[in-house]
This record gives sequence, structure tokens and C-alpha cells, in this order.
Amino acid sequence: DGGITQSPKYLFRKEGQNVTLSCEQNLNHDAMYWYRQDPGQGLRLIYYSQIVNDFQKGDIAEGYSVSREKKESFPLTVTSAQKNPTAFYLCASRGTSGNTDTQYFGPGTRLTVL
Amino acid sequence: EDQVTQSPEALRLQEGESSSLNCSYTVSGLRGLFWYRQDPGKGPEFLFTLYSAGEEKEKERLKATLTKKESFLHITAPKPEDSATYLCAVGVSGGYNKLIFGAGTRLAVHP
Repeated sequence: DGGITQSPKYLFRKEGQNVTLSCEQNLNHDAMYWYRQDPGQGLRLIYYSQIVNDFQKGDIAEGYSVSREKKESFPLTVTSAQKNPTAFYLCASRGTSGNTDTQYFGPGTRLTVL
Repeated sequence: EDQVTQSPEALRLQEGESSSLNCSYTVSGLRGLFWYRQDPGKGPEFLFTLYSAGEEKEKERLKATLTKKESFLHITAPKPEDSATYLCAVGVSGGYNKLIFGAGTRLAVHP
């Protein structure tokens, strides 16, 4: 089954801690994205990567970091510098053959700061 | 400024009562309009992509249409299992296929 997996499904963080959210895809997609979803707002782009070993800041990158060492993986670290990290985090990927504009999403990780 | 607005915020329908959801947009260069369905606590599920004014796509009880300024998602004879939040996003011309999302319409279909 091809798809995108995110783990964990739920994550709790204490003040001052860094946490890392996992995103893996076996769709052979080159591009990957991280979004944040808050109640009553549209999804907002945190970071994106169009190719291995390259990534760019999105609209709300402050307090977050990413890496893209493998095509299949795009982990997101939420650092202690992120002032309001409680949210639902979504990873997406996009292919570069066939329908190249559509982003497909993973199941999400809900992060709660205690 | 690129912007996407969805209306209504919430919609309650009786089973079998057809209706439409609206997505209006202002973007500098449209590269596709996308509809997704999102169930509570889950990631968005892709439904449709539309590119040109006048284009229509259908899937079961859903039909999406596109004009130069807005898109409609028509739901014909909805069933309770159609209850979800429907997200609209527009693709913006540029280097990385940026999507701008609306806040969504929460649809509840009651038996």
C-alpha cells in the first residue's frame, strides 16, 4: 500500500523541550511539505522540500526545523523557540510525473504542550 | 494579496437535501483549485483538481465546478457519511506549488 505515514499520532511536550515529528512516504514523490492546522484557520505552510538535501521556509517557519536526508523521509522538529506549538501537524507529498500539482496528506500528528 | 474564503463556515442538512459549498478566491496566478475532505482527527483526503473556468468534475454525490472567481462543491442527495469538513485550496503560480487553503466548511448530514 502506497501512502504517507506520520508518527506519533499524539504527542505531548513539556515547556522548553524539542520534539520531532516523523513523516515517511513510499509514493516515490520528490516534494514534501509540512503544514500546521489550527481551529478555524486554513492550513499554513511551515517548510517544504522539492528534492533531497534541499528545503525552504514556508510562511510560518519560526521555531521549527527540518531535514531531508532521504527521499522518503521529512522529519519536523518543533523547538522550544516555537511560542504556541499546540496544533495539528500535517505532512504532504507531491509527485513529479502524471498529476504533478496535487498534494497528498498523511494522517497527522496532534501536538499538545503541557 | 492571495486569499481563499469558504462559505458557509458550517452547514447542517437533512439526508437527501442537496446543497452547495462555496470557495471564492483572489490569486495572482491560479495553478489549480483543489477540494479535499477531512474527517475529524484525520488528514485531508483529495477529491478534485480543477484548472479552467467551466471545468466540472464528479465523484459519487459530489460535483465540483469552477469559474474565474469561485468554485462550488455541489452535494446531491447527501447521506450521513458525507459529514466532514470540506477544504478548498488554490495553487499559486511559482516555484514550489504553493497552496493557499480556506478555513473549510463543516458539513453535518442528519438522517
